[in-house]
Amino acid sequence: QVQLVQSGAEVKKPGASVKVSCKASGYTFTSYYIHWVRQAPGQGLEWMGIINTYSGSTTYAQKLQGRVTMTRDTSTSTVHMELSSLRFEDTAVYYCARLYGGNSFGNFDYWGQGTLVTVSS
Amino acid sequence: NFMLTQPHSVSESPGKTVTISCTGSSGSIASNYVQWYQQRPGSAPSTVIYEHNQRPSGVPDRFSGSIDSSSNSASLTISGLKTEDEADYYCQSYDSSNQVFGGGTKLTVL
Repeated sequence: QVQLVQSGAEVKKPGASVKVSCKASGYTFTSYYIHWVRQAPGQGLEWMGIINTYSGSTTYAQKLQGRVTMTRDTSTSTVHMELSSLRFEDTAVYYCARLYGGNSFGNFDYWGQGTLVTVSS
Repeated sequence: NFMLTQPHSVSESPGKTVTISCTGSSGSIASNYVQWYQQRPGSAPSTVIYEHNQRPSGVPDRFSGSIDSSSNSASLTISGLKTEDEADYYCQSYDSSNQVFGGGTKLTVL
């Protein structure tokens, strides 16, 4: 069965960086795009960006350009999302999600369990 | 930038029907598929409608989706409301290089 399993919760200081991982299983890793979505406490869903797991190419939300980096390791079927220069407002649950049908944009058919990143001094 | 606007909250009684709207800011909302996600507290979102009006397996047929090009909006309709339908609902679509979410609608079933 398809699973996306994310790394555990993190607490970081302002200005630091955080790296969250998302390990995929149960399907051919390089056949599906992976996206990252975050949700601040009590707020809505915010799209962060997409990685083509076959080529490694990425597209990031304009708001996060320059601070976010997404990479993939095909040997372990894992996608990583690194966010730098952390601010208090980056406190959120971070989700990885698979895009349905091998498309680049559209429906997310599987989600990771979420990783809470807390930015606190 | 393309945006999707939803009502902040709706409420209805068990057994009734509720409709949640999602209005596109520009272009034709029918041009790119609209999805609807349900999110319960402490859980990841899950799809209840994809590609405008398709239901994933396991989603009851009480959930339906539609597009109204005249108002440039998508709608999620839930009939025969159950208390378990109480959750946040998000519409989602995309443009050439971004996934876009609506702000979410809190459905209260009381």
